[in-house]
Amino acid sequence: QKEVEQNSGPLSVPEGAIASLNCTYSDRGSQSFFWYRQYSGKSPELIMFIYSNGDKEDGRFTAQLNKASQYVSLLIRDSQPSDSATYLCAVRRLNSGYSTLTFGKGTMLLVSP
Amino acid sequence: DTGVSQNPRHKITKRGQNVTFRCDPISEHNRLYWYRQTLGQGPEFLTYFQNEAQLEKSRLLSDRFSAERPKGSFSTLEIQRTEQGDSAMYLCASSPSQETQYFGPGTRLLVL
Repeated sequence: QKEVEQNSGPLSVPEGAIASLNCTYSDRGSQSFFWYRQYSGKSPELIMFIYSNGDKEDGRFTAQLNKASQYVSLLIRDSQPSDSATYLCAVRRLNSGYSTLTFGKGTMLLVSP
Repeated sequence: DTGVSQNPRHKITKRGQNVTFRCDPISEHNRLYWYRQTLGQGPEFLTYFQNEAQLEKSRLLSDRFSAERPKGSFSTLEIQRTEQGDSAMYLCASSPSQETQYFGPGTRLLVL
C-alpha cells in the first residue's frame, strides 16, 4: 500500500462547478496535511494545510480532514480554467522531530470554459 | 524576488559527468529540503538541513549524491558519475518552521 494515494485523473469539471479532489494516507501517525498546486513544468505551490479533523476554508478552497478514515480532500468552488493543474496531496509525519513530507502522485484537474 | 531561487534552471549533461545545483532559500528560513520529481510522480524527499546541519537523508540518496549547506545559507546538491536514471526535476524548498515548505522553481536535469 502506497503511503499517500491520489487518483491520477484527469478530473474534468466545467467552469463554475465544484471540483473535489481526494487523498488517502496509510500512516496513522501523520500529523499535518498539505495541498499543493503544480502547473505543467512548474514547481509546486502551497494552497493550504490542515491539522485538525473537520473543514478549513480559504477563499474558494476548502480542505477536509477525517483522521479516522485517513482521508483528506480539497474542494474548489467556482472552478476556473486557471485552476487547471495537478494537485498534490502531502502528508507530514513526525520522524525524530524532523518535518518529512510524503507526496502523492497528484490529481490532474481540467476545468473547461 | 524574495522566494526560493535555484540555479541553473536547466542542465543537460552526458552520462558519467558530475553536476552541481545551487539553492538559495528565503533568507529567514533555517530549514532547507531537497526533493526529486520525475514525470507523473510527486516530489520525493532527498535530504533536509536545519541551518548548516544535514539532519536527514533519504535512502534514495545514493553515495553518488552529496549535499551541503555551508554557513546555513545557500545549499548545493552534487551528483557524481551521473546516470540516465538521474534525469528529473530537482526541487529545493525552504521553511521557517516544521510546517509549511515553499518550493523554488527547480532544476531540470537531463542525462544523455
